[in-house]
Amino acid sequence: SAVISQKPSRDICQRGTSLTIQCQVDSQVTMMFWYRQQPGQSLTLIATANQGSEATYESGFVIDKFPISRPNLTFSTLTVSNMSPEDSSIYLCSVDRTRSPAEQFFGPGTRLTVL
Amino acid sequence: DAKTTQPNSMESNEEEPVHLPCNHSTISGTDYIHWYRQLPSQGPEYVIHGLTSNVNNRMASLAIAEDRKSSTLILHRATLRDAAVYYCILRDVGGSNYKLTFGKGTLLTVNP
Repeated sequence: SAVISQKPSRDICQRGTSLTIQCQVDSQVTMMFWYRQQPGQSLTLIATANQGSEATYESGFVIDKFPISRPNLTFSTLTVSNMSPEDSSIYLCSVDRTRSPAEQFFGPGTRLTVL
Repeated sequence: DAKTTQPNSMESNEEEPVHLPCNHSTISGTDYIHWYRQLPSQGPEYVIHGLTSNVNNRMASLAIAEDRKSSTLILHRATLRDAAVYYCILRDVGGSNYKLTFGKGTLLTVNP
């Protein structure tokens, strides 16, 4: 298994500001993913973050709005930039340990409210 | 991505078996069938996965149709802690993309 922690667990932010969310894993992993879960909705993948290369963004998500860092095999950050109330969501990171049909492990999420 | 269809909600009684269906008529040969669940206020957690044969683990069983166009997640004895949203996801590991694409899932309510 993998133990994943996220910081902060929740935050309330003002419109126009930025928030950086941290994701820490207790062991080295190849692939890390960032998801968004809007209120009452399912999870939507934002991007895949691989160490040593730029993140791969899904349709509808851009690097200027959601810059991602992946400095090593146990850590990643997601920044939500120039926030608006529509960015109020839960942001989750997840990891894939091996290149196999293995399970993905999810962090507890960061609950963001933008006023 | 191949899509799945699940009922929006299901209800069960505690200690009774629960059968959660999933249709995936456009499944490809390299798609694994994954089930995840999301308990209230938590991140999703893996339940089970399979390719062609039925699978069992300590949490549940997965029954896969012979043509692979549908599957059923079986909780043998539902408990109140099993109340969650259950997601059926097809994951293609034949290429280089291992992402999970979540649908709306099935909200399972367990009555005491």
